Amino acid sequence: AQSVTQPDIHITVSEGASLELRCNYSYGATPYLFWYVQSPGQGLQLLLKYFSGDTLVQGIKGFEAEFKRSQSSFNLRKPSVHWSDAAEYFCAVGTTNKLIFGTGTLLAVQP
Amino acid sequence: NAGVTQTPKFQVLKTGQSMTLQCAQDMNHNSMYWYRQDPGMGLRLIYYSASEGTTDKGEVPNGYNVSRLNKREFSLRLESAAPSQTSVYFCASGGLGNTEAFFGQGTRLTVV
Repeated sequence: AQSVTQPDIHITVSEGASLELRCNYSYGATPYLFWYVQSPGQGLQLLLKYFSGDTLVQGIKGFEAEFKRSQSSFNLRKPSVHWSDAAEYFCAVGTTNKLIFGTGTLLAVQP
Repeated sequence: NAGVTQTPKFQVLKTGQSMTLQCAQDMNHNSMYWYRQDPGMGLRLIYYSASEGTTDKGEVPNGYNVSRLNKREFSLRLESAAPSQTSVYFCASGGLGNTEAFFGQGTRLTVV
C-alpha cells in the first residue's frame, strides 16, 4: 500500500540556520512527490514537486528537495531559514487516482 | 479566479445532527478529494473522486458520504455527527499523478 512517513513531528531551528525535513515514501511504481506548506489557519500551498528528470528540484521560497530512489526519500531543504518559514510542512505522494499525505512536520523558527 | 471554494468555514453541530459540506472548483479538474486534518495525524483521505460519476473510499470513510454532483462540485455529508468527527475538513481538486492539488481554505467543524 502507498504511504508517506515524516519521522520528525516537530523541529526547531534558529533563523539563518539550514533546514532539512525528512520524507520517506512507499509506492510500487514511479512516484510523483510533493511538498506542501500550511501556515496557521490556512490551506495548503505547493512548494515543489518531482515526477521525473533531475532528482534535485527547486521550489518557491528558496526551498529545494532531492529525490533518492535507493532510499525512497524526498527530503526538503533550505540553506537559510527565515522567521516566516515557521509553518507545517507536508510531504505527499501522487498515485494514479489519489494523493496521500504524511503526518506533517511542524517547524518553529527561533530568533 | 476562485480556485477551490468550501462552505461553510465554521460549523458547530450537536451529536446526532446532520450536515453537508460543500466544495466547488473552477479549474476543470477531474479529481476531487475530501481530507480531514487532526493534530499529529496529518491529512487523512476520507473520500475521493477520480472523475465525474465516480467516488471511492479513502483511509477514513466511516460516518461520511459523498456526492460528486457534477465536475465542479463534490459534497461531503455527515449523517449523524459524532464528537470524533470534530476536525478541520479540506476539499482539494487536481493532484492526480504529477499534477498539483489545490486546496480550499478548510471547514472547522466542532461536534458537541
